[in-house]
Amino acid sequence: AQKITQTQPGMFVQEKEAVTLDCTYDTSDPSYGLFWYKQPSSGEMIFLIYQGSYDQQNATEGRYSLNFQKARKSANLVISASQLGDSAMYFCAMRELGSNDYKLSFGAGTTVTVRA
Amino acid sequence: ETGVTQSPTHLIKTRGQQVTLRCSSQSGHNTVSWYQQALGQGPQFIFQYYREEENGRGNFPPRFSGLQFPNYSSELNVNALELDDSALYLCASSLEAEDGYTFGSGTRLTVV
Repeated sequence: AQKITQTQPGMFVQEKEAVTLDCTYDTSDPSYGLFWYKQPSSGEMIFLIYQGSYDQQNATEGRYSLNFQKARKSANLVISASQLGDSAMYFCAMRELGSNDYKLSFGAGTTVTVRA
Repeated sequence: ETGVTQSPTHLIKTRGQQVTLRCSSQSGHNTVSWYQQALGQGPQFIFQYYREEENGRGNFPPRFSGLQFPNYSSELNVNALELDDSALYLCASSLEAEDGYTFGSGTRLTVV
């Protein structure tokens, strides 16, 4: 079963505007972590933001914020004030802390293109 | 901290050959994981090593194997290469298994 679902294959956003990337997840583990990564064409996975399942507040890191709705099992990423350098592939990932290997399960990703 | 470096960056191999990909983790990082990312898809977990022992494995056949060394470097070995093994292979390290991961830029393997 798919653990992470990203339903938006690609999105266009105007420079300086905000964009929301959707992510839903599926787990029966009560303890888990949710991650967002940015992958530019160079290939490196760049960590953006983290939300723990027991965190009471939504995570924020600069222009990135995570809209965590636990009951809906969604963890949407909001990028505010988009910049041309934000054009990249974005992945949502989950780590179930009840497992022994702490592996990351990734979604299929969303391509973001920022227009000038 | 010097980050995670992978070598080579690109590689072309023939079906049936064997390949070794290398990763140099951040100093002090005891955990290293390898992921396979096919074109247009998200990364898939191959396996994880913690202090030189494999402690987790994804749905990959035994011809995918690995090693982790005391100097925080590691290897991914793939035997009997198949065309479907063509992908970006990512290495990720963390201080301990429950910490966040730092990824390298990957090795792009093409099997012809």
